[in-house]
Amino acid sequence: DAGITQSPRYKITETGRQVTLMCHQTWSHSYMFWYRQDLGHGLRLIYYSAAADITDKGEVPDGYVVSRSKTENFPLTLESATRSQTSVYFCASRDPGQGLSYEQYFGPGTRLTVT
Amino acid sequence: AQSVSQHNHHVILSEAASLELGCNYSYGGTVNLFWYVQYPGQHLQLLLKYFSGDPLVKGIKGFEAEFIKSKFSFNLRKPSVQWSDTAEYFCAVGMDSSYKLIFGSGTRLLVRP
Repeated sequence: DAGITQSPRYKITETGRQVTLMCHQTWSHSYMFWYRQDLGHGLRLIYYSAAADITDKGEVPDGYVVSRSKTENFPLTLESATRSQTSVYFCASRDPGQGLSYEQYFGPGTRLTVT
Repeated sequence: AQSVSQHNHHVILSEAASLELGCNYSYGGTVNLFWYVQYPGQHLQLLLKYFSGDPLVKGIKGFEAEFIKSKFSFNLRKPSVQWSDTAEYFCAVGMDSSYKLIFGSGTRLLVRP
């Protein structure tokens, strides 16, 4: 089915380990986004990408790395996980060709725990 | 810096009660406004959006929101809530030509049967 998927859905890792969260969308949307959701903070933008090979920092990029070699994939890597990165991570996408009024579509989220 | 405020962090209502959730933003330019809902264990879904025209916007499941430019507000309303409306509600604002959204901190709504 068309849509946006994330994997894994749940992940437990240890401090200092590298972790990659995957995001895949089937709509060929140009724009993709990574958010983290924390109690009391809502959703905060980590990184976004306007197209393949074009990425930019959001509000809270420190400790994260992204890449976008293909339009449909937007992986997020925690280079050396810390406890403060325990969170729920959401990927989103949208098509800029439809104008600014159109919404972002969200994936199901990845719950990451760093011990 | 631009920000979005949702002052009600937790709201508890009984079924059939009326709902109004506040959303205020700090930005003087052109805005696109959204309300998203996150049901327990699910991803965010769009409830409604405003980008131009009639400031009273109707969304899915009987929700509506009113954009009041002079107050920098976009409050969400529903005249009669149901138990199934239990969820977290997020206001989001897109500013000028940016495709990025700034989200409020969310409001957790619990509807008691």
